[in-house]
Amino acid sequence: QLQLLESGPGLVKSSETLSLTCTVSGGSISSGNYYWAWIRQPPGKGLEWIASYHYSGNIFYNPSLKSRVTLSVDTSKNQFSLKLTSVTASDTAVYYCARPIVAAGFEYWGQGTLVTVSS
Amino acid sequence: QSALAQPPSASGSPGQSVTISCTGTSSDVGGYNYVSWYQQYPGKGPKLLIYEVTQRPSGVPDRFSGSKSGNTASLTVSGLQAEDEANYYCSSYGGNNNFVIFGGGTKLTVL
Repeated sequence: QLQLLESGPGLVKSSETLSLTCTVSGGSISSGNYYWAWIRQPPGKGLEWIASYHYSGNIFYNPSLKSRVTLSVDTSKNQFSLKLTSVTASDTAVYYCARPIVAAGFEYWGQGTLVTVSS
Repeated sequence: QSALAQPPSASGSPGQSVTISCTGTSSDVGGYNYVSWYQQYPGKGPKLLIYEVTQRPSGVPDRFSGSKSGNTASLTVSGLQAEDEANYYCSSYGGNNNFVIFGGGTKLTVL
């Protein structure tokens, strides 16, 4: 059974960089035609796609976040990571990593991790 | 990146059917058959209900069905049950420029 687990600091100071890692078990991020993704949800609000990665090297970013986001991959650890720079309070959210069954259809989700940006 | 348009709320009585709409553009919803729907309870992660407009993952009851006409996709919940009270989100593939777009969400209340 595929499992995803987010990890990283739960508190980040304003203007600093948010860093999260998604560790995948029960499947490989280096195989299959899947775009592994980061998605976030501010408290009480809707879902927002951040970025997606395919093992071929293709990476897609949300245009509204692209200037601040970097997605990287460590295939040896079966992990993919998110860095979001210059964070503000509006970046406070539950951050999920996920894998789709097909484009935009995310079947597998991590438990989510709350990241709070403090001033 | 503009969110897909969903009504903020919907409601129905037990046993009734309710339909939630998700409106995009010809560049996303209307351009591809990659619309998905999710159910999310407060404090929980999203659960995939529908993908590729009409397909249900294993284990999702057939009370949940999806459709699409033009730039608008719809989720229909038939035979409403109390447990269907949740937030529902749509998503669509939007091509290389807007790879994934989510709707703003609809809170479904079972009266």
